[in-house]
Parts: sequence; C-alpha cells; structure tokens
Amino acid sequence: SQQGEEDPQALSIQEGENATMNCSYKTSINNLQWYRQNSGRGLVHLILIRSNEREKHSGRLRVTLDTSKKSSSLLITASRAADTASYFCATGRRSNDYKLSFGAGTTVTVRA
Amino acid sequence: GAGVSQSPSNKVTEKGKDVELRCDPISGHTALYWYRQSLGQGLEFLIYFQGNSAPDKSGLPSDRFSAERTGGSVSTLTIQRTQQEDSAVYLCASSLEGGRVTGELFFGEGSRLTVL
Repeated sequence: SQQGEEDPQALSIQEGENATMNCSYKTSINNLQWYRQNSGRGLVHLILIRSNEREKHSGRLRVTLDTSKKSSSLLITASRAADTASYFCATGRRSNDYKLSFGAGTTVTVRA
Repeated sequence: GAGVSQSPSNKVTEKGKDVELRCDPISGHTALYWYRQSLGQGLEFLIYFQGNSAPDKSGLPSDRFSAERTGGSVSTLTIQRTQQEDSAVYLCASSLEGGRVTGELFFGEGSRLTVL
C-alpha cells in the first residue's frame, strides 16, 4: 500500500487565501518531500524536510513534520491562480529509502 | 541536458504490441527511477537504478515489463504484449544520489501510453 496519504483529496480556495493539506504515513522515515504537478506535466520538487526537523519554510510554503503522529502538513500562503495543481507528499522508509512512495495527491484549485 | 527528457511524449498502440519508452536523465545523476501514474492516481513505483544496476525490480507489474540502463545514463522501459490496463503515464526521474537517503527527484514530463 502507499506510504503517504494526502488529505483532503481536493481543495478549492479563493485567490489570496491560504491552502493547507496534510499527509499521513505509516513507517519510520528518513525524510518527507512535497511535489507539485501541473496538469499534464511532470512533478516538480517543492521542499524536503528531514526526520529531525519540525518545520521548514520556502517562500510562500511552510511544511511541518510530526514524526510522533507520522504526519506532515503543507501550507501555501496568499495563494495565486498559478498554484492550481496537484500536490503530493513522498516518503522514503528507513529500510529502503530509495523507494519514494507517493500518495494520491491533493488537487488544489485557486479561483481568481 | 537541462532536464530529464522522455520520449515519446505520447504513444498510442494496439493491444498485444510491444512498446519502448526512453528516459534521458540529467547528466551526472547516478540514480534513475521509473514510476507509473494512472488517471487521477498517485505514483506507482516500478524500478530504481543506481548506475547501471537495478537493486530493486519488485515494482514491475509483470514479466511483460523490463527495464535497462546503459552507460549509467539512458534508460529504456519495455512493455511486451501490451494490455489495456498498461495505459498510463510513465514518469522517469533522476537524482544526484540514490541509495540510503533519497534526495530531490527531478522528473521528466512523462510518456503517455494508450493501449487500444
């Protein structure tokens, strides 16, 4: 089964609002990564957070990691129409980290 | 090259035919990955290469699927006797390092396969 599961499956927000999505996973990890996929395109890496980190920022993105709850959240602040995409979390298990497992993703629609 | 290049971008084939999908990773990236993405779904891991070796082929769905990597660079994913359930987008990614701790993956645009 997939290691990471995103929630919600879909999110629709107004431009300027914040978007928050969550990722839960099952086993111990080395790191957790978030990727974005625009329709019909490949995935683009957004941010990587290591298992010993609790929070990380990159521009308008804020990622948190709670290893005790095996969960992570991605916050996009002041959303723009260009943020419309699917967002995936990816985790690598400590036992075989090369096999990054992706969830089904959260589809975010930002309305102008 | 500047990024991961995949070809063809689109392939329509008839059931039972063989197809080859090609991936040209970023120069110098030792790790290469193939994933499959069905419509509206997440990514399904297929295979991982470290150099020319594939330590883990367990993700390949059946023995109709095979992959190779030559010269530590270009990789080919071959699907023999294609079936309709093989229809998906096949994504290739490369990484500067693979192995114990995986860093950022750089993805290609994918090869969309449609089996009629």
